[in-house]
Amino acid sequence: TQLLEQSPQFLSIQEGENLTVYCNSSSVFSSLQWYRQEPGEGPVLLVTVVTGGEVKKLKRLTFQFGDARKDSSLHITAAQPGDTGLYLCAGARDSNYQLIWGAGTKLIIKP
Amino acid sequence: EAGVAQSPRYKIIEKRQSVAFWCNPISGHATLYWYQQILGQGPKLLIQFQNNGVVDDSQLPKDRFSAERLKGVDSTLKIQPAKLEDSAVYLCASQMDSYNEQFFGPGTRLTVL
Repeated sequence: TQLLEQSPQFLSIQEGENLTVYCNSSSVFSSLQWYRQEPGEGPVLLVTVVTGGEVKKLKRLTFQFGDARKDSSLHITAAQPGDTGLYLCAGARDSNYQLIWGAGTKLIIKP
Repeated sequence: EAGVAQSPRYKIIEKRQSVAFWCNPISGHATLYWYQQILGQGPKLLIQFQNNGVVDDSQLPKDRFSAERLKGVDSTLKIQPAKLEDSAVYLCASQMDSYNEQFFGPGTRLTVL
């Protein structure tokens, strides 16, 4: 069974601090997606990384796909209260379009 | 472009009762997913449709859960009878093709008492 492990499970920091969330697996994925979910809503895609070693930036968010395509990280610079939410990583398998989901990192940014 | 619609948004039932959820995907999206998300966990796939055919229902508890996608558009997910452990958010997602993102609806929060 392919599993994605996210760490930490919960993170509460002050506004302005930096943080990194990790997504690890022993399996190789064809691509990896990061979603953000707010209370009462469904997850919304932030980014898809496809190539090993790929780095993508979305304003203050930096996403990296591991060279072996087994792991990924999300780094937030100068976190803002608006960054609060549940961050989910999901790995894609080629065979049937399905995503393997991590359990998520609940992030709270305090003003 | 309209997003994925789900109803109801909230449902409270007693154990052993039945419940049904409805999903209307984004127009033109061939693939539709139903997920169960328990508090503090990531989404768990229940069933995947491609048009009106089932691609994968291996994790659907078929003794109590059923789903259909008539005419390859709207879908319904039913639980009969419900158990306490079915309390969760049920998410519907649609996807245009294999490597596009999945678009999620707001979910239905089910509480079984």
